[in-house]
Amino acid sequence: NAGVTQTPKFQVLKTGQSMTLQCAQDMNHNSMYWYRQDPGMGLRLIYYSASEGTTDKGEVPNGYNVSRLNKREFSLRLESAAPSQTSVYFCASSEFGLNQPQHFGDGTRLSIL
Amino acid sequence: DQQVKQNSPSLSVQEGRISILNCDYTNSMFDYFLWYKKYPAEGPTFLISISSIKDKNEDGRFTVFLNKSAKHLSLHIVPSQPGDSAVYFCAASRDSWGKLQFGAGTQVVVTP
Repeated sequence: NAGVTQTPKFQVLKTGQSMTLQCAQDMNHNSMYWYRQDPGMGLRLIYYSASEGTTDKGEVPNGYNVSRLNKREFSLRLESAAPSQTSVYFCASSEFGLNQPQHFGDGTRLSIL
Repeated sequence: DQQVKQNSPSLSVQEGRISILNCDYTNSMFDYFLWYKKYPAEGPTFLISISSIKDKNEDGRFTVFLNKSAKHLSLHIVPSQPGDSAVYFCAASRDSWGKLQFGAGTQVVVTP
């Protein structure tokens, strides 16, 4: 009964390093999302995937890439990490369609020095 | 440009009393609104939602009210319990699915 699983939970990177954040869901959801949360701000959408095989930019996509590997997995990649990308990253999933609430993982806390 | 605003960063309420959380939005195209609850070191958990065709939705102790003319929604928790101590996020979408815009959150502390 895992729901949405994110790995790793914590990571420290140096500026310029690359990293992939992993997300997997076991609820057979079609849609998946990546958000970031910064202090004093709400969650902001980075990228989303409405269904397997499609991805689209959200509100803050610069500096990130995503891959919808299959229906279960949606990864977020930082090609060249910058201190401004220090944040808590949340992955979410939902059924495809109108008014479907999103289910979130517990987040990855990422620090970039 | 933040289109969903929660102007009260914190709220303290006594156990058993009512908690009222407020949220304002600027985009009149939003048509679906949600409240999420978040404990430390966990992801947000869906609490309750409301479509723009309604002005009230109730689920147990939680009621959400929507005032479209004022672009305002509120979450009422009655009665408040210690387990309600968490950060509450208001969120909105403009096409009834998918891309959500979140407010900055309100930290609720329920005291004995």
